[in-house]
Amino acid sequence: GAGVSQSPSNKVTEKGKDVELRCDPISGHTALYWYRQRLGQGLEFLIYFQGNSAPDKSGLPSDRFSAERTGESVSTLTIQRTQQEDSAVYLCASSRSSVRLVNTEAFFGQGTRLTVV
Amino acid sequence: GQNIDQPTEMTATEGAIVQINCTYQTSGFNGLFWYQQHAGEAPTFLSYNVLDGLEEKGRFSSFLSRSKGYSYLLLKELQMKDSASYLCAVRDEGTYKYIFGTGTRLKVLA
Repeated sequence: GAGVSQSPSNKVTEKGKDVELRCDPISGHTALYWYRQRLGQGLEFLIYFQGNSAPDKSGLPSDRFSAERTGESVSTLTIQRTQQEDSAVYLCASSRSSVRLVNTEAFFGQGTRLTVV
Repeated sequence: GQNIDQPTEMTATEGAIVQINCTYQTSGFNGLFWYQQHAGEAPTFLSYNVLDGLEEKGRFSSFLSRSKGYSYLLLKELQMKDSASYLCAVRDEGTYKYIFGTGTRLKVLA
């Protein structure tokens, strides 16, 4: 696609429910990142996929968070048993291979604004 | 460990020049990136440095000193539309993931 697409753009959910956030990266981008951004804060790294390598999950804040990626395309971030502290904007970004190329800036989607009530 | 520091807020006047600093301590380094983020929008790429020195792109320039773990973003001829957050990000050498600073909120006043 022309850019990174995320859905839904907004999600309001009740505490305790599970949510699934979707990211469609730019075609041909093998690297995909998920970040969380709380209001007025910086980007908090969550998880990174690079091609067929095992994902870097070191930023996931708890075992309620998980993410999958189908090949080099769509990724879903799942949050189980949501808590109010999970309220934030979840940003997805993709880039060309980070391993082989040097100047590979990340392109961001518009994000999913998650509100847990 | 990885740590990136930026000032939280800066204010400047339309037409002026402003320099936003970024210092970093990372276990490995594979490039430094600057992004602009307007309120409620996604970050957009501004500049990239991997070697020491200054990279110029129109009104924006970015400088890197790897030995000092230091970068700055220089914005010239400030415009009101430059009011945004500016995020410094370092790509880690070993993992190739981007680690972002908390961002600097720049307010441009008329």
